[in-house]
Amino acid sequence: EAAVTQSPRSKVAVTGGKVTLSCHQTNNHDYMYWYRQDTGHGLRLIHYSYVADSTEKGDIPDGYKASRPSQENFSLILELASLSQTAVYFCASSDFKSSAETLYFGSGTRLTVL
Amino acid sequence: AQSVTQPDARVTVSEGASLQLRCKYSYSATPYLFWYVQYPRQGLQLLLKYYSGDPVVQGVNSFEAEFSKSNSSFHLQKASVHWSDSAVYFCALSPASSGSWQLIFGSGTQLTVMP
Repeated sequence: EAAVTQSPRSKVAVTGGKVTLSCHQTNNHDYMYWYRQDTGHGLRLIHYSYVADSTEKGDIPDGYKASRPSQENFSLILELASLSQTAVYFCASSDFKSSAETLYFGSGTRLTVL
Repeated sequence: AQSVTQPDARVTVSEGASLQLRCKYSYSATPYLFWYVQYPRQGLQLLLKYYSGDPVVQGVNSFEAEFSKSNSSFHLQKASVHWSDSAVYFCALSPASSGSWQLIFGSGTQLTVMP
């Protein structure tokens, strides 16, 4: 069974503080993604990675950094958290063979910035 | 630009009733299309996907979807819903012809099944 684990499950942060969200996958997948979900909206891609030590910008990268130190781990970093970054964040992985690959998602991290 | 529209934010049906969740897409060619489901406090899980061929695709848990190129639609259907089907359902598109594998999600439909 494919597995993507996110930590923490929820977090409260202060405006201007640094936040790190972590993701670990045991799928042996090359591709990992960070999505953001806002109430009433679909998921939007923040950053993705297809190989360790390399990350790419998605559709909404501003205010976020990503780090892929190994194939299994992918972190999302908010250097200066802002109120507008309150959302649920999902990590996902896929074994990219075609543009129709299935994504396997973690359970999400609910981030509240006060 | 590619986009996915799910016109119904919330749908409520009675247990045992039939279900259709609507999805319309905008894309110049034939895309890859997906339906994902999100149960409470869980991540998204794939229900089914369409690549090409037979426009009716079968998915898990007796869900199916029908692709219509003329209508630019990919509606999700189920003949008889169960209370456990209550969840948020997302339609998504992959702009296949461009070689991109990034998914574009709709805003989701919250399904509530009444006992």
